[in-house]
Amino acid sequence: IAGITQAPTSQILAAGRRMTLRCTQDMRHNAMYWYRQDLGLGLRLIHYSNTAGTTGKGEVPDGYSVSRANTDDFPLTLASAVPSQTSVYFCASSKEAGALGELFFGEGSRLTVL
Amino acid sequence: QQQVKQSPQSLIVQKGGISIINCAYENTAFDYFPWYQQFPGKGPALLIAIRPDVSEKKEGRFTISFNKSAKQFSLHIMDSQPGDSATYFCAATYQGAQKLVFGQGTRLTINP
Repeated sequence: IAGITQAPTSQILAAGRRMTLRCTQDMRHNAMYWYRQDLGLGLRLIHYSNTAGTTGKGEVPDGYSVSRANTDDFPLTLASAVPSQTSVYFCASSKEAGALGELFFGEGSRLTVL
Repeated sequence: QQQVKQSPQSLIVQKGGISIINCAYENTAFDYFPWYQQFPGKGPALLIAIRPDVSEKKEGRFTISFNKSAKQFSLHIMDSQPGDSATYFCAATYQGAQKLVFGQGTRLTINP
């Protein structure tokens, strides 16, 4: 089934550890996004990529980094995890860059930082 | 000015009733207003969207009402069903923007 695959589904992580959340899409979409979802705060954009080789910062980029080496993959790295990064992380994609197109989301990665 | 304020945070409606979720925004540049629906354990999915050149858009039991002068828009779910139980997010953006701005979300529960 075409779509977005995220891994891991859930993870418990000690503070200070490095963690990479993986995201792969098979829809050949140009744009990809990482959001975090927190109760009462909705979905907040961490980083985005309009096309392979480019990335940009969203609303809450601090403590996170991304790369976009090819069209399909958009990993999110937490260099040194902190408890405030406990959240559900969603990867999304859209056919073109810009925010007017439909976003397709993965099923999320639940991260707990202790 | 980039915020979208959504209410209520949670809502319980009886089967067959009307569910209403409201959103308000400040940025007058916003010109595209989608709603996303999220079931437990799943990612959000586009439900319905509206542009400000119309005051209402209907798709089946789901209707968006838009009030440009008040800078408010709302989602109405008619004849609400238990299968509609989900979290709903409103969002807003404009041509050339890099992102959607999401509301805080509403957890809707439809009681049988």
